[in-house]
Amino acid sequence: DTEVTQTPKHLVMGMTNKKSLKCEQHMGHRAMYWYKQKAKKPPELMFVYSYEKLSINESVPSRFSPECPNSSLLNLHLHALQPEDSALYLCASSQVRGTGKGYTFGSGTRLTVV
Amino acid sequence: GNSVTQMEGPVTLSEEAFLTINCTYTATGYPSLFWYVQYPGEGLQLLLKATKADDKGSNKGFEATYRKETTSFHLEKGSVQVSDSAVYFCALSGIQGAQKLVFGQGTRLTINP
Repeated sequence: DTEVTQTPKHLVMGMTNKKSLKCEQHMGHRAMYWYKQKAKKPPELMFVYSYEKLSINESVPSRFSPECPNSSLLNLHLHALQPEDSALYLCASSQVRGTGKGYTFGSGTRLTVV
Repeated sequence: GNSVTQMEGPVTLSEEAFLTINCTYTATGYPSLFWYVQYPGEGLQLLLKATKADDKGSNKGFEATYRKETTSFHLEKGSVQVSDSAVYFCALSGIQGAQKLVFGQGTRLTINP
């Protein structure tokens, strides 16, 4: 299995809602990432998990809360988002040692905040 | 810090034309270098990679060579097809543990029949 699976593919939520994005991989990768991509821009790193522990938080607002319940799953919990948080949210995974082998990305969740 | 500079787009070519997308980088040590492609409405797909100087990555007719002396990793294809229309991102990562993938700004490529 060489895929990263993200669900849902599309999500529309109100500013008072709570929702979660899910990411799953079965490649044995022990590093997982959340990126945010706005239209016509490159992805921007949000969080990195290494061996299921949060290792990098790129000063992301607390309305985004990541969780890594096990080595195959990564969640992003969303609460009280703003319209400017509308974007494509990408999950990725890689080996911890040997990132030169590449990062595998999921197809993303397109989030619209209304 | 690490950074990647890509040629600005958009780039429009006719089918069967030769493609070059320039990419240069700034990094400490010996980063790994990547080209990713993003088709409309989709996530990023790894196109090719190189992990050390003079390595040539290749896939689907695309090639790029890791040039340490010029800190470059230019993407080339000899004969493009309409199906190559997409956004191309040059990126680098360090080699010490799980790290941020640093992207260039992306180059939008359109191939006309």
